[in-house]
Amino acid sequence: ETGVTQTPRHLVMGMTNKKSLKCEQHLGHNAMYWYKQSAKKPLELMFVYNFKEQTENNSVPSRFSPECPNSSHLFLHLHTLQPEDSALYLCASSLNSRGRDRGGTTQYFGPGTRLTVL
Amino acid sequence: AQKVTQAQTEISVVEKEDVTLDCVYETRDTTYYLFWYKQPPSGELVFLIRRNSFDEQNEISGRYSWNFQKSTSSFNFTITASQVVDSAVYFCALRAAGNKLTFGGGTRVLVKP
Repeated sequence: ETGVTQTPRHLVMGMTNKKSLKCEQHLGHNAMYWYKQSAKKPLELMFVYNFKEQTENNSVPSRFSPECPNSSHLFLHLHTLQPEDSALYLCASSLNSRGRDRGGTTQYFGPGTRLTVL
Repeated sequence: AQKVTQAQTEISVVEKEDVTLDCVYETRDTTYYLFWYKQPPSGELVFLIRRNSFDEQNEISGRYSWNFQKSTSSFNFTITASQVVDSAVYFCALRAAGNKLTFGGGTRVLVKP
């Protein structure tokens, strides 16, 4: 497989369920990201991992818990979600350099997981 | 803080017409990068172009062209001779120092046959 893959593509869950979203990149990148895309809202950055370390948490509620076991895999663990958490969750990756990042690297996105919380 | 504004929420054209998508950005950084992504109905964000703040040369790639004007903080995107397959949501994005990519609200393009 090439690029960035995400599973599952669609997920329906109740508010008491626990589920996980998976993202895998096959591009040799070292940074990974979770974004949330809701209807009528701009894309929102949730988390950033650089070299497996979380470098940004954009004030995301604790019911979303990311995990990055290695530079190729990223998970988003979900528990006790709310209906307003229904959205498209996009994963992205990029090749960043250590040290000061001038922001020039391109992020490549996966197809997303369409999440519906009932 | 960074901000990207795409004033057009939706544009509808007939096939073979040209369509221009506007993007205006705000940043205090002198070094920054601008991007355009396409999001077809399948959901995936497809990277189209990256341009750095020091390169104001316009670019053409097939039917796509981009006009970067630093003086007006704009990075507009034109699709020439549009096709039905161009129907998608197009996002402009800005990235200054750091990893954070700031997106505009997107412009939905509908190309009718």
